[in-house]
Amino acid sequence: DGGITQSPKYLFRKEGQNVTLSCEQNLNHDAMYWYRQDPGQGLRLIYYSQIVNDFQKGDIAEGYSVSREKKESFPLTVTSAQKNPTAFYLCASSFRGQQPQHFGDGTRLSIL
Amino acid sequence: AQTVTQSQPEMSVQEAETVTLSCTYDTSESNYYLFWYKQPPSRQMILVIRQEAYKQQNATENRFSVNFQKAAKSFSLKISDSQLGDTAMYFCAANSGGGADGLTFGKGTHLIIQP
Repeated sequence: DGGITQSPKYLFRKEGQNVTLSCEQNLNHDAMYWYRQDPGQGLRLIYYSQIVNDFQKGDIAEGYSVSREKKESFPLTVTSAQKNPTAFYLCASSFRGQQPQHFGDGTRLSIL
Repeated sequence: AQTVTQSQPEMSVQEAETVTLSCTYDTSESNYYLFWYKQPPSRQMILVIRQEAYKQQNATENRFSVNFQKAAKSFSLKISDSQLGDTAMYFCAANSGGGADGLTFGKGTHLIIQP
């Protein structure tokens, strides 16, 4: 079945450590997105990519980095510069210029 | 830039009742899309319904329908014959007409369906 796979489901980060969240899709979608969700908040856009080897900052990109080397994959790195990384992270994808976005099951990141 | 506002943090209704969730938005775009997503306790994001701004007809999906008032920038969700499985967070979201630059979400409404 086609879908979006995020891994791991739970992730723990030590102070000063970079961690990478994986997002893979087999829907042949062009565009991919990363969102952050905090308690009592809606989702906020971190980064998005419309085509391979190109990506744009969203509303809260500071402390995060991404790459888009393959159409199917859009990993998110939470760097040590992100001082408050504890959150639920959701990856989404869609056909370029079309809606709607389909979401993965999310990764919960916590600080040790 | 777009903003989406949901003014009801939580709502509770009895099973089989009809409930309406409110959403207002602001955008400078002439062409845009509006969405309602459901997030149950599993935290999956599930698309409930979508509306293209250029379409005057309100979207409907089974028990779910919207009241889209473009001039008032209002986009409410009506759930008819509510069921226990409708208990979830509901998020209103907006996107510009280009469609590929990410969604702007409201803070959500926690809907509880009581047996």
